[in-house]
Amino acid sequence: GAVVSQHPSRVICKSGTSVKIECRSLDFQATTMFWYRQFPKQSLMLMATSNEGSKATYEQGVEKDKFLINHASLTLSTLTVTSAHPEDSSFYICSALRPGGSYEQYFGPGTRLTVT
Amino acid sequence: AQSVTQLGSHVSVSEGALVLLRCNYSSSVPPYLFWYVQYPNQGLQLLLKYTSAATLVKGINGFEAEFKKSETSFHLTKPSAHMSDAAEYFCAVSDTGNQFYFGTGTSLTVIP
Repeated sequence: GAVVSQHPSRVICKSGTSVKIECRSLDFQATTMFWYRQFPKQSLMLMATSNEGSKATYEQGVEKDKFLINHASLTLSTLTVTSAHPEDSSFYICSALRPGGSYEQYFGPGTRLTVT
Repeated sequence: AQSVTQLGSHVSVSEGALVLLRCNYSSSVPPYLFWYVQYPNQGLQLLLKYTSAATLVKGINGFEAEFKKSETSFHLTKPSAHMSDAAEYFCAVSDTGNQFYFGTGTSLTVIP
């Protein structure tokens, strides 16, 4: 299957700092990538849809100025959590949508963010 | 609006027994439906998908699901559970193939 990588896998940062998470599609060029947030023992919450070369589309209730998404190339999308607070601590997962109408998402392994 | 309901946040079965994980969806248009599996601290892996072709869909690891429009259901089954099937399972729906919405997940425990 296709491979999507995320970096870092774990990060601890201090409150008020910013953290960047990278998501790379290694097997195919992904016009569309997604960012999800997952709380312990809960489902994935779609945060935003990242489209290469254009602005991300954010879900209702997700602050676009806090969660900055950049999709500068067909294989890389980044999520920057700005001015992080402890309540931003979570598991962040990205996925890449395989083009061509297969409707298949390939997920990264996730990034565990802890804000102290 | 799209949504997915997974009945039963926890399901326990004996090794070798039938696995049945329930998923009901709500969609204003014919949906695309998916089942994913997640192992601890990992991303999600696609088990199978329904995209308006055959209503009975076979996936990896012996899983299958049947799309029933009249019941708005897409339940996941496996005839015989294996210890390695223990994981979290998520049902997801999309009406355009560009946005996906996930159910709350079902944790499957397999008892030896």
